[in-house]
Amino acid sequence: QVQLQESGPGLVKPSGTLSLTCAVSGGSISSSNWWSWVRQPPGKGLEWIGEIYHSGSTNYNPSLQSRVTISVDKSKNQFSLKLSSVTAADTAVYYCAKVLRTAGRENAFDIWGQGTMVTVSS
Amino acid sequence: EIVLTQSPATLSLSPGERATLSCRASQSVSSFLAWYQQKPGQAPRLLIYDASNRAAGIPAKFRGSGSGTDFTLTISSLEPEDFAVYYCQQRSNWPLTFGGGTMVEIK
Repeated sequence: QVQLQESGPGLVKPSGTLSLTCAVSGGSISSSNWWSWVRQPPGKGLEWIGEIYHSGSTNYNPSLQSRVTISVDKSKNQFSLKLSSVTAADTAVYYCAKVLRTAGRENAFDIWGQGTMVTVSS
Repeated sequence: EIVLTQSPATLSLSPGERATLSCRASQSVSSFLAWYQQKPGQAPRLLIYDASNRAAGIPAKFRGSGSGTDFTLTISSLEPEDFAVYYCQQRSNWPLTFGGGTMVEIK
């Protein structure tokens, strides 16, 4: 059973870069799946950030695209998120998630990490 | 961007009652809609994908229906562990989007 675990600093300064990693265990990141990042500000709903395939192909949310980079490290079986020029509005719980593949196409998020809280503050 | 509107925002029900949650899309998403359950301090859990398919390990009391722009999640008989926030999400078009959520609370 695939498991995901986020890690990274819990506090980032305004205008800095948020960097998180999602370690994949119980399966290979090189399987036929996409891997995503989703965030949730305190007390609010869910926002999709972007996703990556093991080949390095990515899709990003246009609302964040200019500041987001998602990358994959197959040797470490993990993928990462970088969000630049952060402000208080980027304070959220950040989740990594695996995209379910059914009938040859990408589907919902079937496995989630536990989430990691990132606060943007000086 | 496809906007998903969930209603009601809050549903107050008693254990044993049936819950009916709605998700309306601003344009057709065909059947590319999923439902998630989220409890406080936990990650979302996938309940339904492709509008009506239960995810692995999800009990039959959760039923999804609909296509196009109107979708429904029905919980047949609420148990204490079902009181949570429920989100819908579409994978028809990028960017992937979520609804604002429906909180099912104990009356």
